[in-house]
Amino acid sequence: LAKTTQPISMDSYEGQEVNITCSHNNIATNDYITWYQQFPSQGPRFIIQGYKTKVTNEVASLFIPADRKSSTLSLPRVSLSDTAVYYCLVGDTQDSSYKLIFGSGTRLLVRP
Amino acid sequence: EADIYQTPRYLVIGTGKKITLECSQTMGHDKMYWYQQDPGMELHLIHYSYGVNSTEKGDLSSESTVSRIRTEHFPLTLESARPSHTSQYLCASSVPGDTQYFGPGTRLTVL
Repeated sequence: LAKTTQPISMDSYEGQEVNITCSHNNIATNDYITWYQQFPSQGPRFIIQGYKTKVTNEVASLFIPADRKSSTLSLPRVSLSDTAVYYCLVGDTQDSSYKLIFGSGTRLLVRP
Repeated sequence: EADIYQTPRYLVIGTGKKITLECSQTMGHDKMYWYQQDPGMELHLIHYSYGVNSTEKGDLSSESTVSRIRTEHFPLTLESARPSHTSQYLCASSVPGDTQYFGPGTRLTVL
Protein backbone atom coordinates (compact mmCIF):
# COMPACT_ATOMS: atom_id res chain seq x y z
CA LEU A 1 0.00 0.00 0.00
CA ALA A 2 1.21 3.52 -0.80
CA LYS A 3 2.41 5.43 2.24
CA THR A 4 0.73 8.77 2.80
CA THR A 5 1.96 11.95 4.44
CA GLN A 6 -0.37 14.59 5.88
CA PRO A 7 0.11 17.59 8.13
CA ILE A 8 -0.29 16.64 11.77
CA SER A 9 -2.67 19.50 12.53
CA MET A 10 -4.41 22.52 11.05
CA ASP A 11 -6.31 25.45 12.49
CA SER A 12 -9.10 27.35 10.82
CA TYR A 13 -12.03 29.63 11.57
CA GLU A 14 -15.71 29.18 10.96
CA GLY A 15 -16.78 30.02 7.44
CA GLN A 16 -13.36 29.51 5.91
CA GLU A 17 -12.43 26.99 3.26
CA VAL A 18 -9.99 24.37 4.49
CA ASN A 19 -7.64 22.45 2.21
CA ILE A 20 -5.80 19.43 3.55
CA THR A 21 -3.11 18.02 1.30
CA CYS A 22 -1.91 14.45 1.34
CA SER A 23 1.26 13.21 -0.35
CA HIS A 24 1.42 9.70 -1.79
CA ASN A 25 4.48 9.60 -3.98
CA ASN A 26 4.45 5.87 -4.69
CA ILE A 27 0.78 5.52 -5.52
CA ALA A 28 0.11 2.57 -7.82
CA THR A 29 -1.86 2.58 -11.04
CA ASN A 30 -4.89 0.84 -9.54
CA ASP A 31 -4.92 2.76 -6.27
CA TYR A 32 -7.81 4.99 -5.26
CA ILE A 33 -7.58 7.87 -2.80
CA THR A 34 -10.05 7.87 0.05
CA TRP A 35 -10.64 10.32 2.87
CA TYR A 36 -12.24 9.54 6.20
CA GLN A 37 -13.33 11.80 9.05
CA GLN A 38 -13.23 10.80 12.70
CA PHE A 39 -14.80 12.57 15.65
CA PRO A 40 -13.60 11.79 19.20
CA SER A 41 -14.87 8.48 20.56
CA GLN A 42 -16.44 7.52 17.23
CA GLY A 43 -15.43 5.34 14.32
CA PRO A 44 -14.13 6.93 11.11
CA ARG A 45 -16.69 7.98 8.55
CA PHE A 46 -16.19 7.92 4.78
CA ILE A 47 -16.06 11.39 3.23
CA ILE A 48 -14.98 11.07 -0.38
CA GLN A 49 -13.07 8.91 -2.81
CA GLY A 50 -11.43 9.60 -6.15
CA TYR A 51 -9.01 8.33 -8.76
CA LYS A 52 -8.06 11.42 -10.73
CA THR A 53 -8.98 15.06 -11.45
CA LYS A 54 -11.80 16.33 -9.26
CA VAL A 55 -14.58 14.69 -7.29
CA THR A 56 -17.26 16.62 -5.45
CA ASN A 57 -20.07 15.56 -3.17
CA GLU A 58 -22.35 17.31 -0.71
CA VAL A 59 -19.65 17.34 1.95
CA ALA A 60 -16.31 18.01 0.26
CA SER A 61 -14.25 18.16 -2.91
CA LEU A 62 -11.21 16.12 -3.75
CA PHE A 63 -8.58 17.46 -6.13
CA ILE A 64 -6.08 15.06 -7.66
CA PRO A 65 -3.38 16.33 -10.05
CA ALA A 66 -2.42 14.46 -13.17
CA ASP A 67 0.57 12.70 -11.59
CA ARG A 68 -1.63 11.55 -8.67
CA LYS A 69 1.27 11.87 -6.24
CA SER A 70 -0.81 14.08 -3.98
CA SER A 71 -4.42 14.96 -3.31
CA THR A 72 -6.22 17.79 -1.59
CA LEU A 73 -9.38 17.50 0.44
CA SER A 74 -11.32 20.74 0.35
CA LEU A 75 -13.95 21.54 2.96
CA PRO A 76 -15.99 24.62 2.01
CA ARG A 77 -17.08 27.03 4.74
CA VAL A 78 -16.17 24.91 7.74
CA SER A 79 -18.14 25.03 10.97
CA LEU A 80 -17.23 24.12 14.52
CA SER A 81 -18.65 20.65 13.95
CA ASP A 82 -15.99 19.98 11.32
CA THR A 83 -13.38 19.77 14.08
CA ALA A 84 -12.13 16.22 13.69
CA VAL A 85 -9.26 14.09 12.48
CA TYR A 86 -9.08 13.58 8.71
CA TYR A 87 -7.37 10.53 7.25
CA CYS A 88 -6.05 10.10 3.73
CA LEU A 89 -5.79 6.50 2.53
CA VAL A 90 -4.49 5.07 -0.70
CA GLY A 91 -5.06 1.56 -1.98
CA ASP A 92 -6.49 -0.69 -4.65
CA THR A 93 -10.11 -0.86 -3.54
CA GLN A 94 -10.86 -3.37 -6.29
CA ASP A 95 -8.38 -5.84 -4.83
CA SER A 96 -10.29 -8.46 -2.87
CA SER A 97 -7.54 -8.41 -0.23
CA TYR A 98 -7.63 -4.62 0.12
CA LYS A 99 -7.22 -3.43 3.68
CA LEU A 100 -7.40 0.10 4.98
CA ILE A 101 -4.21 1.25 6.67
CA PHE A 102 -4.75 4.42 8.65
CA GLY A 103 -1.93 6.86 9.28
CA SER A 104 -1.89 9.50 11.97
CA GLY A 105 -4.26 11.79 10.10
CA THR A 106 -4.65 15.56 10.22
CA ARG A 107 -6.23 17.04 13.32
CA LEU A 108 -8.38 19.98 12.20
CA LEU A 109 -9.46 22.53 14.78
CA VAL A 110 -12.14 25.01 13.74
CA ARG A 111 -12.33 28.08 15.94
CA PRO A 112 -15.28 30.47 16.34
CA GLU B 1 -25.88 5.37 7.07
CA ALA B 2 -24.63 1.85 7.52
CA ASP B 3 -26.08 -0.54 10.07
CA ILE B 4 -23.18 -1.81 12.12
CA TYR B 5 -23.46 -2.23 15.85
CA GLN B 6 -21.07 -2.77 18.69
CA THR B 7 -21.77 -3.74 22.27
CA PRO B 8 -20.99 -2.81 24.88
CA ARG B 9 -20.11 0.81 24.17
CA TYR B 10 -18.16 1.06 27.40
CA LEU B 11 -16.69 -1.69 29.56
CA VAL B 12 -14.68 -1.50 32.75
CA ILE B 13 -13.36 -4.82 33.90
CA GLY B 14 -10.78 -6.30 36.21
CA THR B 15 -7.53 -7.97 35.22
CA GLY B 16 -7.79 -11.63 34.28
CA LYS B 17 -11.41 -11.58 33.18
CA LYS B 18 -12.51 -13.04 29.88
CA ILE B 19 -14.42 -10.61 27.71
CA THR B 20 -16.13 -10.68 24.34
CA LEU B 21 -16.78 -7.55 22.33
CA GLU B 22 -19.72 -7.93 19.99
CA CYS B 23 -19.96 -6.60 16.46
CA SER B 24 -22.80 -7.18 14.07
CA GLN B 25 -23.92 -5.73 10.76
CA THR B 26 -27.15 -6.11 8.84
CA MET B 27 -25.85 -5.20 5.40
CA GLY B 28 -24.71 -8.64 4.34
CA HIS B 29 -21.13 -7.47 3.99
CA ASP B 30 -18.58 -10.23 3.54
CA LYS B 31 -15.57 -8.32 4.83
CA MET B 32 -15.31 -7.31 8.47
CA TYR B 33 -12.50 -5.77 10.49
CA TRP B 34 -11.40 -4.99 14.02
CA TYR B 35 -9.22 -1.98 14.75
CA GLN B 36 -7.61 -0.87 17.98
CA GLN B 37 -7.13 2.80 18.70
CA ASP B 38 -5.59 4.44 21.75
CA PRO B 39 -6.79 8.00 22.55
CA GLY B 40 -5.42 10.48 20.07
CA MET B 41 -3.47 7.80 18.24
CA GLU B 42 -3.70 5.93 14.96
CA LEU B 43 -6.06 3.09 14.18
CA HIS B 44 -4.36 -0.26 13.94
CA LEU B 45 -5.88 -3.24 12.17
CA ILE B 46 -5.81 -6.25 14.50
CA HIS B 47 -8.13 -8.75 12.79
CA TYR B 48 -10.09 -9.11 9.59
CA SER B 49 -12.35 -11.57 7.86
CA TYR B 50 -13.29 -12.03 4.22
CA GLY B 51 -16.31 -14.16 4.98
CA VAL B 52 -17.70 -16.99 7.07
CA ASN B 53 -14.99 -19.19 8.58
CA SER B 54 -12.30 -16.80 7.37
CA THR B 55 -10.20 -14.88 9.91
CA GLU B 56 -6.78 -13.29 9.59
CA LYS B 57 -4.49 -11.37 11.90
CA GLY B 58 -3.95 -7.74 11.09
CA ASP B 59 -0.90 -5.55 11.06
CA LEU B 60 -0.75 -5.01 14.82
CA SER B 61 -0.10 -8.03 16.99
CA SER B 62 -2.96 -8.64 19.38
CA GLU B 63 -3.66 -11.16 22.10
CA SER B 64 -7.32 -11.18 21.14
CA THR B 65 -9.04 -13.76 18.97
CA VAL B 66 -11.99 -13.53 16.60
CA SER B 67 -14.50 -15.85 15.01
CA ARG B 68 -16.80 -15.60 12.00
CA ILE B 69 -19.49 -18.24 12.18
CA ARG B 70 -22.17 -16.04 10.63
CA THR B 71 -21.82 -13.34 8.01
CA GLU B 72 -23.37 -10.69 10.22
CA HIS B 73 -21.45 -11.41 13.39
CA PHE B 74 -17.72 -10.89 14.16
CA PRO B 75 -17.02 -11.07 17.88
CA LEU B 76 -13.63 -10.34 19.43
CA THR B 77 -12.52 -12.18 22.57
CA LEU B 78 -9.85 -11.53 25.16
CA GLU B 79 -9.27 -14.65 27.26
CA SER B 80 -7.55 -12.80 30.08
CA ALA B 81 -7.81 -9.04 30.09
CA ARG B 82 -4.83 -6.95 31.19
CA PRO B 83 -4.40 -3.19 31.70
CA SER B 84 -2.38 -3.06 28.46
CA HIS B 85 -5.59 -4.01 26.62
CA THR B 86 -7.20 -0.73 27.65
CA SER B 87 -8.12 0.97 24.39
CA GLN B 88 -10.95 1.68 21.98
CA TYR B 89 -11.93 -1.19 19.71
CA LEU B 90 -13.61 -0.34 16.41
CA CYS B 91 -15.39 -2.79 14.16
CA ALA B 92 -15.99 -2.16 10.46
CA SER B 93 -17.46 -3.94 7.46
CA SER B 94 -17.38 -3.53 3.69
CA VAL B 95 -18.12 -5.26 0.43
CA PRO B 96 -15.09 -5.88 -1.81
CA GLY B 97 -14.04 -2.68 -3.51
CA ASP B 98 -16.33 -0.57 -1.38
CA THR B 99 -15.75 1.76 1.51
CA GLN B 100 -15.62 0.63 5.09
CA TYR B 101 -18.43 1.41 7.52
CA PHE B 102 -17.44 1.68 11.13
CA GLY B 103 -19.38 0.92 14.27
CA PRO B 104 -19.46 3.30 17.23
CA GLY B 105 -16.67 1.48 19.02
CA THR B 106 -16.19 -0.13 22.42
CA ARG B 107 -14.10 1.71 24.94
CA LEU B 108 -12.46 -0.90 27.14
CA THR B 109 -10.79 -0.15 30.47
CA VAL B 110 -8.99 -2.94 32.30
CA LEU B 111 -8.16 -2.18 35.91
